[in-house]
Amino acid sequence: GQNIDQPTEMTATEGAIVQINCTYQTSGFNGLFWYQQHAGEAPTFLSYNVLDGLEEKGRFSSFLSRSKGYSYLLLKELQMKDSASYLCAPQDSNYQLIWGAGTKLIIKP
Amino acid sequence: GAVVSQHPSWVICKSGTSVKIECRSLDFQATTMFWYRQFPKQSLMLMATSNEGSKATYEQGVEKDKFLINHASLTLSTLTVTSAHPEDSSFYICSARGGQGTSPLHFGNGTRLTVT
Repeated sequence: GQNIDQPTEMTATEGAIVQINCTYQTSGFNGLFWYQQHAGEAPTFLSYNVLDGLEEKGRFSSFLSRSKGYSYLLLKELQMKDSASYLCAPQDSNYQLIWGAGTKLIIKP
Repeated sequence: GAVVSQHPSWVICKSGTSVKIECRSLDFQATTMFWYRQFPKQSLMLMATSNEGSKATYEQGVEKDKFLINHASLTLSTLTVTSAHPEDSSFYICSARGGQGTSPLHFGNGTRLTVT
C-alpha cells in the first residue's frame, strides 16, 4: 500500500531551526512535494524534489533520499507566521499525490 | 505563477438543498482539476479528478450522483453537492496544475460548507 509517516506535532522556538521528517512508501515515484497549510486555509506549495539531495529556497530547504524513502523539510530563522501544518506529499507512478495528515508545527516566542 | 480561484469561500445551507462550488484557473488552462475534501485535523482526501470535456473520475466511496462535477471549459470546473446533509459539512478544495506531472498542484482557497 501507499503511506506516509510524519510526526503529528512539533514545537519550536522563534528564531530557531526545525527539521520535519517524512518517510513514505508509494507505488512508483515521481517526486515529492512539501506544502504549508495554515489552519482553515488551503495548502500552498513550498518545494519539490525529484532527485536526491538538498533543494534550498530562502529560509526553507527540502531534502530527498529516494533509496531510503525519506525526505525532510528544514525551516530556519523561524517566525511566528511559520506556525502551520506541513504536508509531505510524494507522487506515485500515476502522478497522483499521496497525502498524509501532516505535521502541525507550533512556534513559541 | 499559476493561480486557482475558488468560490464561494464559505456557504451555509439547509439540509436537502444543493450547493455549487466553482473553481477557476486564472492564468493557465487546466485540462485536469482535482477536488478534495478535508475534515478537521485530517488529511486531504481526493474526491474526484475533473477532466475537461469528459466525465469525472471518482475515487472509491465517493458518490458520483451526489457530488456532480462539470468541467465545461479549460478554466472552469464546478462541484455540486446535491441534497446536502450535515455529514457533508466539510472543507472542499479544488486544485490544478499549471504544467505537466512535475509541476506543483496549486490550490484554490477552499470552500467551507456547513449544512444545517
